[in-house]
Amino acid sequence: AQSVAQPEDQVNVAEGNPLTVKCTYSVSGNPYLFWYVQYPNRGLQFLLKYITGDNLVKGSYGFEAEFNKSQTSFHLKKPSALVSDSALYFCAVREVNRDDKIIFGKGTRLHILP
Amino acid sequence: DAGVTQSPTHLIKTRGQQVTLRCSPKSGHDTVSWYQQALGQGPQFIFQYYEEEERQRGNFPDRFSGHQFPNYSSELNVNALLLGDSALYLCASSLVSGSSTDTQYFGPGTRLTVL
Repeated sequence: AQSVAQPEDQVNVAEGNPLTVKCTYSVSGNPYLFWYVQYPNRGLQFLLKYITGDNLVKGSYGFEAEFNKSQTSFHLKKPSALVSDSALYFCAVREVNRDDKIIFGKGTRLHILP
Repeated sequence: DAGVTQSPTHLIKTRGQQVTLRCSPKSGHDTVSWYQQALGQGPQFIFQYYEEEERQRGNFPDRFSGHQFPNYSSELNVNALLLGDSALYLCASSLVSGSSTDTQYFGPGTRLTVL
């Protein structure tokens, strides 16, 4: 069965510093991987996805994520954090078949400190 | 280009009642998925509709049912509400393609409170 783990409930980063939000996954086949962000009282907004190809994926708002097959990880990164990046971040995985069911992690709350 | 819309925004029901939530997909999308997000948790997949049929289902009881209309909009129905059904219900739309890799785009959600 597929699963996603986000080991940190909360990450605190000073504004201007680089940030990393961790994600590891488990699937029996090849994964499709996604990051979504959720602001208070809002739905999920798509940030980026990995399907195939280059392991470094660039997405919205300056975010990027690195796919590491050997470590089964897909960590979200940004070189310089903004206070407006403070939100709840979800990593998600889907197996490479016609199954469109997405499995989400429990989320990581990111606090950017001014 | 209209995104995914959901109605109502908030809803309060009592135990045992029935509720219907509605979703209109993003323009050009033909598939609708429903998720339940309990407080402090990630979204949990309920089911997905394509071509007006339930395509797959997560681990939710039969009290949860749905429908998709010819215009691709969808409804989620929950019968015999329990306190534990209180959650944010998210609708996501996507476009079926040969590779099935299209991204799911989410609506703002309906906050259901069961008293």
